[in-house]
Amino acid sequence: DGGITQSPKYLFRKEGQNVTLSCEQNLNHDAMYWYRQDPGQGLRLIYYSQIVNDFQKGDIAEGYSVSREKKESFPLTVTSAQKNPTAFYLCASSIQGTNTGELFFGEGSRLTVL
Amino acid sequence: DQQVKQNSPSLSVQEGRISILNCDYTNSMFDYFLWYKKYPAEGPTFLISISSIKDKNEDGRFTVFLNKSAKHLSLHIVPSQPGDSAVYFCAASGVGNAGNMLTFGGGTRLMVKP
Repeated sequence: DGGITQSPKYLFRKEGQNVTLSCEQNLNHDAMYWYRQDPGQGLRLIYYSQIVNDFQKGDIAEGYSVSREKKESFPLTVTSAQKNPTAFYLCASSIQGTNTGELFFGEGSRLTVL
Repeated sequence: DQQVKQNSPSLSVQEGRISILNCDYTNSMFDYFLWYKKYPAEGPTFLISISSIKDKNEDGRFTVFLNKSAKHLSLHIVPSQPGDSAVYFCAASGVGNAGNMLTFGGGTRLMVKP
């Protein structure tokens, strides 16, 4: 079945460690996104990529990094510079150029910093 | 400053009655609005959308109303069912947005009681 797969679903990290969250899609979508969800704050955009080998910062990119070496994959690294990394992270993809706004989301990864 | 706001963090409704979820926005450049539904520990799924050239869009039990002058939209669910219990996010997309970047509200948790 087509969809977006995020892994791991749950992740624990010690302070000062970098962690990488995986996001893979087989929908043949050009655009991919990373959002962060905190209670009561909705979803905030971290990074997005409209095409392979290109990505742009979203509203809260500080302390995060991404890569887009393949169309299907858009991993997110949460670095030790991110001051409050405990959150629910959502990866999404969309057909590029439709401007309809419809995103397809993965099931999310919950990161907890101990 | 939040450009999309959902002022009610939660809403409780009896099964069979109407659920009305509200959303306000401040950016007059937004021209496409969406509602997403999210169950716990899952990614959001697209529910219904409306373009700014319309004031109403209906899909089965779900209707979205847009009042551009008031910068307000609402989602009506009639009749409400227990399976509708979830968090609902309002989102907006603007003219000339790169990709399908959405601005999300903080969400409203709907509880439909049997």
